[in-house]
Parts: sequence; structure tokens; C-alpha cells
Amino acid sequence: AQSVTQPDIHITVSEGASLELRCNYSYGATPYLFWYVQSPGQGLQLLLKYFSGDTLVQGIKGFEAEFKRSQSSFNLRKPSVHWSDAAEYFCAVALYSGNTPLVFGKGTRLSVIA
Amino acid sequence: NAGVTQTPKFQVLKTGQSMTLQCAQDMNHNSMYWYRQDPGMGLRLIYYSASEGTTDKGEVPNGYNVSRLNKREFSLRLESAAPSQTSVYFCASSGLQGIGGYTFGSGTRLTVV
Repeated sequence: AQSVTQPDIHITVSEGASLELRCNYSYGATPYLFWYVQSPGQGLQLLLKYFSGDTLVQGIKGFEAEFKRSQSSFNLRKPSVHWSDAAEYFCAVALYSGNTPLVFGKGTRLSVIA
Repeated sequence: NAGVTQTPKFQVLKTGQSMTLQCAQDMNHNSMYWYRQDPGMGLRLIYYSASEGTTDKGEVPNGYNVSRLNKREFSLRLESAAPSQTSVYFCASSGLQGIGGYTFGSGTRLTVV
């Protein structure tokens, strides 16, 4: 079955430090890959997506993600975290072909300390 | 502003009561989805509609029904609410079966007592 794993439930980083959130998936083929962010009490906002081509993709708010086929991973990174980045982050995947909706990971909550 | 509108934003139900959650999008998207979000569980798909006139079950459909009223609107109905349905419900829409990313509504927080 399709699955998405976000190994870290909660991460705390200092403001200005770098960030990496992990995401692994299990699919037979390369899926479409997404990262969403959810601020408290809000809906989800798309940060970035990967379909094909360059394995390093840039998104909004200074985020980037790298697709590594050999590791079935799509980790999210930011060089310097701001206090406003505190939120919950979700990795999601959809099959490359077919008519299946997105499958979401369970999320990683990011806390930012001064 | 273009987007996905959900109503109501908050609702408290008694066990056994029924209610319908409404969702409308104005982006001319073909596909619409209902997810529920529970702490530590991420988002789980309840039902989806790949196009007007079609609906399919997701991961957790029991206790729910849906109606794709037209291209814009996709409602979720709880016929007999149970405390296990206490959750935050999100509606989303997309073109091309989610490939371009979803647009989410702001959610409905439902409590069943």
C-alpha cells in the first residue's frame, strides 16, 4: 500500500538555524511529491511540489526540497529559520499515473525558539 | 478572493444528530476532496470526487456520505454523529487529480458530545 512517513513528530530549532524535515515514501514508481504547511487554526498551504526534472525544487517562503530516488525521500530544507515558520508541515504524495488522491504523512510540528 | 469556502467553521452536535458540511470552490477545479484531521494522524481521506457526477470512498468513509451537487459544490453528511467523528474536517479542490496541488478550505471544527 502507498505510504508516506515523516519520522520526526516534533522538531525544535533556534531562530536563524538551518532546518531539515524528513519525508520517505513507499511507491513502486516515482510519485508526485508535495510539501504543505499548516499554521495553527488554519488550512494547509502548498509550499512546493516535484513532478520530474531537476531534483532540487524551490518553493515559497524560502523553502526548498530535494528528491532522492535511491532513498525514496523528499526532504524539506530551509537555510535560516524565522519565528514565523513555526507550524506543522505535511509531506504528501500522489501516484505518477492513475486517479488516486494525495496521501499525507502524519506531519512534523516545528517549534522555533529565540 | 478565489478559493475553497467551508461552512460552518465550528459545530457542536449531540450523538445521533445529523448535519451536512458544505464546501464550494470557485476555481473551476474538477476534483474535490474531504479529509479529516486528528492529532497525530495527519490528514485522512474520507471521500473524493474526481469529476462532477462521480464520488469514491477514501481511507475512512464509514459514517459519512457525500454529494457532488455540481462542479463547484461538494458536501459531506453525517447521518448519525458519533463521538469518534469529533475532528477537524477539511475540504480541498484540485485540477488534474491533485497533480497541481490542492487548495484547502479553512476547515470545520466538529465536536460530537
